[in-house]
Amino acid sequence: SQQGEEDPQALSIQEGENATMNCSYKTSINNLQWYRQNSGRGLVHLILIRSNEREKHSGRLRVTLDTSKKSSSLLITASRAADTASYFCATAGNTGFQKLVFGTGTRLLVSP
Amino acid sequence: SAVISQKPSRDICQRGTSLTIQCQVDSQVTMMFWYRQQPGQSLTLIATANQGSEATYESGFVIDKFPISRPNLTFSTLTVSNMSPEDSSIYLCSVETSPLGGEAFFGQGTRLTVV
Repeated sequence: SQQGEEDPQALSIQEGENATMNCSYKTSINNLQWYRQNSGRGLVHLILIRSNEREKHSGRLRVTLDTSKKSSSLLITASRAADTASYFCATAGNTGFQKLVFGTGTRLLVSP
Repeated sequence: SAVISQKPSRDICQRGTSLTIQCQVDSQVTMMFWYRQQPGQSLTLIATANQGSEATYESGFVIDKFPISRPNLTFSTLTVSNMSPEDSSIYLCSVETSPLGGEAFFGQGTRLTVV
């Protein structure tokens, strides 16, 4: 399966600024998820948006999904130094238990 | 939700040897997934492991190189066999708890360096 593309590959911002990451994918999906990975360790699930949803919020996170363009964006508002991590989108196809196809990832650096 | 204990957390191994990675889940799950993350890269699925049947491998991965066991609904192992430096990666196990599709839970990963 082919990975999705994320951009930017790396993003460097100051604390308090907003960070936006974009994800494009290739096939039809059941849902799209965003994960965070700190220092090459395990992934932590952030938010899931289903194919029939267009926008979803969770705390400082806002995710949009445009299935016609096969793209999604993750917005982190009022960023903090603790948000420094790699962020991955992952898509799940139209099956039950899902194999996730991960995007290439965005490395976010938030400076104090 | 699910809590996954994965070990070892890291290892340095000699080429030609094998390493077995263990993944223990705190609840019964139908399917477990094994991923590889090469340095600076994203995650690639190696195989899907069901209890009581052979694992299903993705293109580019074979059972002889990455044998997987799934003896029960809470445990799985992945072996990286006859290792070479190209096998240096982070290996992660993952589970999903809902058959309707939802978030995946990951172990903390095994950072493997082959010298």
